[in-house]
Amino acid sequence: QKEVEQDPGPLSVPEGAIVSLNCTYSNSAFQYFMWYRQYSRKGPELLMYTYSSGNKEDGRFTAQVDKSSKYISLFIRDSQPSDSATYLCAMNDGGATNKLIFGTGTLLAVQP
Amino acid sequence: GAVVSQHPSRVICKSGTSVKIECRSLDFQATTMFWYRQFPKQSLMLMATSNEGSKATYEQGVEKDKFLINHASLTLSTLTVTSAHPEDSSFYICSASSDRGRDIQYFGAGTRLSVL
Repeated sequence: QKEVEQDPGPLSVPEGAIVSLNCTYSNSAFQYFMWYRQYSRKGPELLMYTYSSGNKEDGRFTAQVDKSSKYISLFIRDSQPSDSATYLCAMNDGGATNKLIFGTGTLLAVQP
Repeated sequence: GAVVSQHPSRVICKSGTSVKIECRSLDFQATTMFWYRQFPKQSLMLMATSNEGSKATYEQGVEKDKFLINHASLTLSTLTVTSAHPEDSSFYICSASSDRGRDIQYFGAGTRLSVL
């Protein structure tokens, strides 16, 4: 079993839809959670950063962490064609190594 | 936001040559830098972690003599692919984190290496 599971998609939605992206994890020590967006042939761009459980909102993006269920989500409201990209969840335990454990990424296509 | 610059973005070389990729943190001091490799439609695979002034720590299965990493300053790390072969063709990405935000990694734009 992988430490972090993420549906690879592809996920296709019409413009304006609400998108829900999810990851599950098995390591209860994880406490820092991130979502990155990666356009084709580019490096990942940090979208959201959350510590421990709770919600965080930034514009059209909302990140949720439920540590009791080991489940994190990213919601995108009013999705735009420019949101079409691969979304990677990442997390770590705050230990000495600083290593991030990534999900496989979900490919999202927002159709105009 | 923190900016990480990676250069070159694209390199094509002949088999047997060495290629150097640079990773710079432009507006913060990167105490730790990471090098990843990414195959098409796959997630990032961590190759090594480097701390400024120390030897890099390589992940299992990554050849130290093949992928030389130098982190000589708080703003610069380099990855040298020595004696590159076609199987080394891939997308290489660096990231950096600072002491203050040590859990967050900021990524460069990546380098696409093609070995002929």
